[in-house]
Amino acid sequence: GQQVMQIPQYQHVQEGEDFTTYCNSSTTLSNIQWYKQRPGGHPVFLIQLVKSGEVKKQKRLTFQFGEAKKNSSLHITATQTTDVGTYFCAGPGNAGKSTFGDGTTLTVKP
Amino acid sequence: KAGVTQTPRYLIKTRGQQVTLSCSPISGHRSVSWYQQTPGQGLQFLFEYFSETQRNKGNFPGRFSGRQFSNSRSEMNVSTLELGDSALYLCASSLVGTGAYEQYFGPGTRLTVT
Repeated sequence: GQQVMQIPQYQHVQEGEDFTTYCNSSTTLSNIQWYKQRPGGHPVFLIQLVKSGEVKKQKRLTFQFGEAKKNSSLHITATQTTDVGTYFCAGPGNAGKSTFGDGTTLTVKP
Repeated sequence: KAGVTQTPRYLIKTRGQQVTLSCSPISGHRSVSWYQQTPGQGLQFLFEYFSETQRNKGNFPGRFSGRQFSNSRSEMNVSTLELGDSALYLCASSLVGTGAYEQYFGPGTRLTVT
């Protein structure tokens, strides 16, 4: 079945450094969604990308959808301690259900 | 709008027992999905209900079941609990369905099986 692979699994950065997580699919995706889960919390929807090559920004967060619609990335500029958490990508899998990547856990050292 | 609510928030059960978890979706949302989250396995899809019908099912044994009521509220049941069922169970609601529409997650039910 379709898999969504996410790397890296963990990322430790110093506050102020940039951070990027990558999501790769074995098949073309009609869309990709990104979620953030704070420690002890639940996943919260961040954004959905639909178009090939699409780039969307939310303040310091930049989301990209690859030209082939098989990969995506989330880049955070100048990380802050509030960015701590696990970032998940999710794509529509078989029969329309969502398939989540394993997530990238970001820790930020003040 | 009120968010997704899940009850109970915490639960401790013994092996062999059964458990029922409840989820109330956002008003107007007709799709409810359930996920199991464990540290080693990430977010694993259990099943999705839409208009009282199970539309999708993940790779979990038959001990895991669910249902959806006419008001879109959903329950999931786990029978004959095993130690490995200890996890955070998350419910997510969506306007029409997963895959194409964003999902809104509830706070989860933390199940501990001893």
